[in-house]
Parts: sequence; C-alpha cells; structure tokens
Amino acid sequence: DVKVTQSSRYLVKRTGEKVFLECVQDMDHENMFWYRQDPGLGLRLIYFSYDVKMKEKGDIPEGYSVSREKKERFSLILESASTNQTSMYLCATCHGAGNYNEQFFGPGTRLTVL
Amino acid sequence: SQKIEQNSEALNIQEGKTATLTCNYTNYSPAYLQWYRQDPGRGPVFLLLIRENEKEKRKERLKVTFDTTLKQSLFHITASQPADSATYLCASPGRSARQLTFGSGTQLTVLP
Repeated sequence: DVKVTQSSRYLVKRTGEKVFLECVQDMDHENMFWYRQDPGLGLRLIYFSYDVKMKEKGDIPEGYSVSREKKERFSLILESASTNQTSMYLCATCHGAGNYNEQFFGPGTRLTVL
Repeated sequence: SQKIEQNSEALNIQEGKTATLTCNYTNYSPAYLQWYRQDPGRGPVFLLLIRENEKEKRKERLKVTFDTTLKQSLFHITASQPADSATYLCASPGRSARQLTFGSGTQLTVLP
C-alpha cells in the first residue's frame, strides 16, 4: 500500500512566521502535489513536482514555495504566514507521466495562523 | 481552464436507497473523470475512473456514468448504508497533463 505521511496533523503559527509542511511517500512515485482545502472551495492545487528539483505552479501559488531535494520528500513553505493561509493542507502522490493514474493523499495538516 | 461543479448542498438519503451525486464540467470535454471519497479529517481516497468513451463503469455498489452531451457525470451508490456517509469529490484533468481539477464535493449522509 502507498503510504503518504505529513509532518503534523495540527499546527498553530503566528502571522509572519516561516512555516514548513513536509510530505513523505514510500512508493517511489514521480509526482507529488500540495493542495489546500477550504469549505465551499474544494481542493485547490498550490504546487506540484514531477521529479527531484522540478516544480510547477498550480492554481494558487502566491505566498507559497516548495522544495523537492529527494524523490520521496516534498516540502511546502510559507515564507511569511498570514491569516488567510489558515486551511487544511493535503499532500498527494501519483505514479507515471500520464494523468489517468489515481492520486494518493496524506492525512492532511490543519494549519491555523493567528 | 476546466471548472468542475458539484451540488454543494448536502444530500441526505434513507438507508437502502440509491444515492445519486452530480458532477458537471463547464469547458472542454475531459478525457476522463475520477471520483474520490473523503471522510472528515482525512485525505481523499480514489474510488473510480471513467473514460470519455465509456458510458458507464461499475464497482460493487458503485456506478458512474459519463454523458458528454450533458457535460455531466453521475455517481450512484446503490443499497446505501450509513457507512457510505462521506464527502464525494469529482476530478477532471487539469491545465497540464499531470494535474487534476477537483470539484468542491457533495456531502452525503445515509440515515439509518
């Protein structure tokens, strides 16, 4: 079974803090994704990566950056957290170059920015 | 870009009945649609994929249809059970080959 783990289930940070969210997968999948999920807005893609050191912007990249130094690990960075970044953050992975493949999600990190 | 619309209102049905959830897409006809289930506080879990040239796909008590004329997919759960209560998400290929665009989901409650 694919296992996708996220560094924290719950996180509380202050405005202006630098925040790191980490995602680790154990199935050697090429693609990794970061989403945020807000009520009524669904899942929105922030960034994704299809290979080590490669990244592409999703639909809402502003205020975020990412890092993928190893294939199994994909980090989401909030350089200076703001209250409007309070959300549920979900990491996902997917095998292969085509997009017919299912995505496997982690349990999510609920981030609160005060 | 593609927009996926799901009935944002919660759906309540009686145990044993068939639940029908709707997914509408607004722009280009996608090569496929995926359906996911999400339980509270958890990440989504993949259920089914239906391709554009497939009219219908089944998996146990689940059935998905794809109507390119109506730009719509229907997701059916037959003989529904309280354990089927969850939020169901529809997803379409996104702007690039590796992306998915998700709908906001429909929250289903099956009443005993």
